[in-house]
Amino acid sequence: GAVVSQHPSWVICKSGTSVKIECRSLDFQATTMFWYRQFPKQSLMLMATSNEGSKATYEQGVEKDKFLINHASLTLSTLTVTSAHPEDSSFYICSANAPLWRLAGPQETQYFGPGTRLLVL
Amino acid sequence: GQNIDQPTEMTATEGAIVQINCTYQTSGFNGLFWYQQHAGEAPTFLSYNVLDGLEEKGRFSSFLSRSKGYSYLLLKELQMKDSASYLCASMDSNYQLIWGAGTKLIIKP
Repeated sequence: GAVVSQHPSWVICKSGTSVKIECRSLDFQATTMFWYRQFPKQSLMLMATSNEGSKATYEQGVEKDKFLINHASLTLSTLTVTSAHPEDSSFYICSANAPLWRLAGPQETQYFGPGTRLLVL
Repeated sequence: GQNIDQPTEMTATEGAIVQINCTYQTSGFNGLFWYQQHAGEAPTFLSYNVLDGLEEKGRFSSFLSRSKGYSYLLLKELQMKDSASYLCASMDSNYQLIWGAGTKLIIKP
């Protein structure tokens, strides 16, 4: 299957600082990437859809000025958490759609990066 | 609206069989996906169904009935390492995944 990487895997920062998380598709081009957040023992929550060469589409309730998304190339999307606060501490996961080849033809399937655990002190 | 329902938690015994059900209602339909997520890790792709019927892949099988908006994931010969959350997701007409809350599967020896 397709491989998606994320960097860093762990980050600890002080309140008020900004943190950048990178998401890369390693062996395919991703025109669309997705950013999720997951709090402990809760389900995935889609934050935004990142579109290469255009503005991201944010889900309701997600502050676009706080969570800056840049998708400058077909293999890289970045999420910057600006002026992070302790309540932003979470597991941030990116994903990208890539074709899953089947006998009937390709089907878009979503592959996940390993996630980035953010702890804001 | 869009909705995915699956049980919150299930318990099964090592070596046994367990079936995790999922019902869905989405705007358009481009397939039903199952992902496995171990604690502290990102989800990994398990299976995909877009036509009615059963898809078998080793110890795991997934079933879909589009007319009923229903799917299940069947796990055979359960192993302790199968303890995880299993996420059901439906891909809508915009190729976006709509996620269920996940089913936490606990395997007992």
